[in-house]
Amino acid sequence: GAVVSQHPSWVICKSGTSVKIECRSLDFQATTMFWYRQFPKKSLMLMATSNEGSKATYEQGVEKDKFLINHASLTLSTLTVTSAHPEDSSFYICTPILAGVLETQYFGPGTRLLVL
Amino acid sequence: AQSVTQLDSHVSVSEGTPVLLRCNYSSSYSPSLFWYVQHPNKGLQLLLKYTSAATLVKGINGFEAEFKKSETSFHLTKPSAHMSDAAEYFCVVSEGNFNKFYFGSGTKLNVKP
Repeated sequence: GAVVSQHPSWVICKSGTSVKIECRSLDFQATTMFWYRQFPKKSLMLMATSNEGSKATYEQGVEKDKFLINHASLTLSTLTVTSAHPEDSSFYICTPILAGVLETQYFGPGTRLLVL
Repeated sequence: AQSVTQLDSHVSVSEGTPVLLRCNYSSSYSPSLFWYVQHPNKGLQLLLKYTSAATLVKGINGFEAEFKKSETSFHLTKPSAHMSDAAEYFCVVSEGNFNKFYFGSGTKLNVKP
């Protein structure tokens, strides 16, 4: 069965609105969550790393005020794309991690965002 | 610093013939290496992983990969391609216990009947 869930799987929104994407770790407590972004026909790019109860660490070039990450519990992390624009259209994927345990490297099914 | 290079953006083979998807990496430390497959409009699926044990790693669906430190390579192979193997394949490197993954640019495998 699924180890990671993301909701919604698809979202279409108007430019200027904010979109929240939820990532749930179903089988274990995720002390760390990675958020990735995949552009069409491109590879995955790590956006940020969040640890439960603390602020996220963003990769270079990723706007922290635009991509708000909250990791309030060990089973839930959210990514909010604020004031979305068409260039934010992408496939967003989360990966919950039990720190230091590579075997728990599961990727979420992804959320496809289309901003009109 | 770590990086992954997938030398071929597209590979096309005939069904029943061998598959070779190339991957080279650079890493400051002993890396962990993975191959993931992504079918159209689907999530990532782990094919296999190398984490400093046996250098020849067997994965799902008949795929295997060999870690060659001297060549800094981790090429993915399969003896006989199947139509269902058509997908995008990503080589991934990870270092240390922090589990950050760095993805290669991907190789799209096309399997001809």
